[in-house]
Amino acid sequence: EVQLLESGGGLVQPGGSLRLSCAASGITFTNYAMTWVRQAPGKGLEWVSGISNSGGHTYYADSVRGRFTISRDNSKNTVYLQINSLRAEDTAIYYCAKGRYGGNSAQDYWGQGTLVTVSS
Amino acid sequence: DIQMTQSPSTLSASVGDRVTITCRASQSISSWLAWYQQKPGKAPDLLIYDASNLESGVPSRFSGSGSGTEFTLTISSLQPDDFATYYCQQYNSHSPHTFGQGTKLEIK
Repeated sequence: EVQLLESGGGLVQPGGSLRLSCAASGITFTNYAMTWVRQAPGKGLEWVSGISNSGGHTYYADSVRGRFTISRDNSKNTVYLQINSLRAEDTAIYYCAKGRYGGNSAQDYWGQGTLVTVSS
Repeated sequence: DIQMTQSPSTLSASVGDRVTITCRASQSISSWLAWYQQKPGKAPDLLIYDASNLESGVPSRFSGSGSGTEFTLTISSLQPDDFATYYCQQYNSHSPHTFGQGTKLEIK
């Protein structure tokens, strides 16, 4: 059974930082690209960042480029999202999702999400 | 970046109806399009990938079509479990894999 378990969310002040983690199980992790998607309260889905199966290619939404960094540790079956210089508009549920392939593809499994709240 | 525009934003329909949701891309994305269903408080579920391929376990009343810039999701006969919000997503390139703004399917 495929499982994606996010952690690391919480309440943080504007300008602060967090590192989100997503631990995968039930898959050969090195075969798949991974993605972070967020959803602000009452809003739609926003693609945030993606990383290829090898980690050699990373991609970012314009709204987070330069502040967020995606990475993966294939020895730990874990993908990370380092989020810096947080703003109120970064408040959202952050979902980790698995790609169907190692490169560009749809996301076929999703975690339950971790809530990031940016507030003073 | 590629922009994705869904229509309608809200759709009211009855059980048994056939419904269609449209997604338009701001430039050609070949067939690199997915459709997701999301229910309140839950993560999205993949329905269709590569524009027309049904994800394993998804009922056959769901179907997708299109290529280039115009895509549709069709539900052939609405069931009570289908009332949810639907999103399209393009993954054509290494640029942001943008989502449409969503279509909320409501009970009439």
